[in-house]
Amino acid sequence: GIQVEQSPPDLILQEGANSTLRCNFSDSVNNLQWFHQNPWGQLINLFYIPSGTKQNGRLSATTVATERYSLLYISSSQTTDSGVYFCAVEQETSGSRLTFGEGTQLTVNP
Amino acid sequence: EAGVVQSPRYKIIEKKQPVAFWCNPISGHNTLYWYLQNLGQGPELLIRYENEEAVDDSQLPKDRFSAERLKGVDSTLKIQPAELGDSAVYLCASSHRDSDTQYFGPGTRLTVL
Repeated sequence: GIQVEQSPPDLILQEGANSTLRCNFSDSVNNLQWFHQNPWGQLINLFYIPSGTKQNGRLSATTVATERYSLLYISSSQTTDSGVYFCAVEQETSGSRLTFGEGTQLTVNP
Repeated sequence: EAGVVQSPRYKIIEKKQPVAFWCNPISGHNTLYWYLQNLGQGPELLIRYENEEAVDDSQLPKDRFSAERLKGVDSTLKIQPAELGDSAVYLCASSHRDSDTQYFGPGTRLTVL
């Protein structure tokens, strides 16, 4: 099956700092989503971004499908950004099955 | 609009006991997913329903796990008998037929003693 690798595995920031999270995948995909799992375990969909660039407030994401990677940018980080960020992909041959990476654990300190 | 609802939020049982989890998807969402999330890992799909039909259950351990989605709305996931290794968070998600975006419930944290 498809492999999804996220980096870095852990990231600690001071409030106000910017960061970039990366997701590499091993095969072509027709669906890529970024999720944030908050400290209470709730998974929130951030972006549906199989290609191109999207922005939502302080967050933006870029997927370069031909090079099989996606980036999530967090600007002016806040303590509420803490949690685990997951990249999930779906192959054309897998129906609607999302394969998740192992996530990036982000801690934003005040 | 109400999100995906799951119950219970937490469940502690002895090994070999049965357990069931319930999920109510977002209204109008025809696709429902059950995921398993082990500590420190991303969710893994167990089963996917399109309306009442289980269209992808290849990752469901059918010797002890079962699921149903009668009437194409609510769904129940059952484990019988539970084993120590089943301790995890069980997540339910749903999506609309016109979108690939999946929306997750808060999950049920299962502890098997």
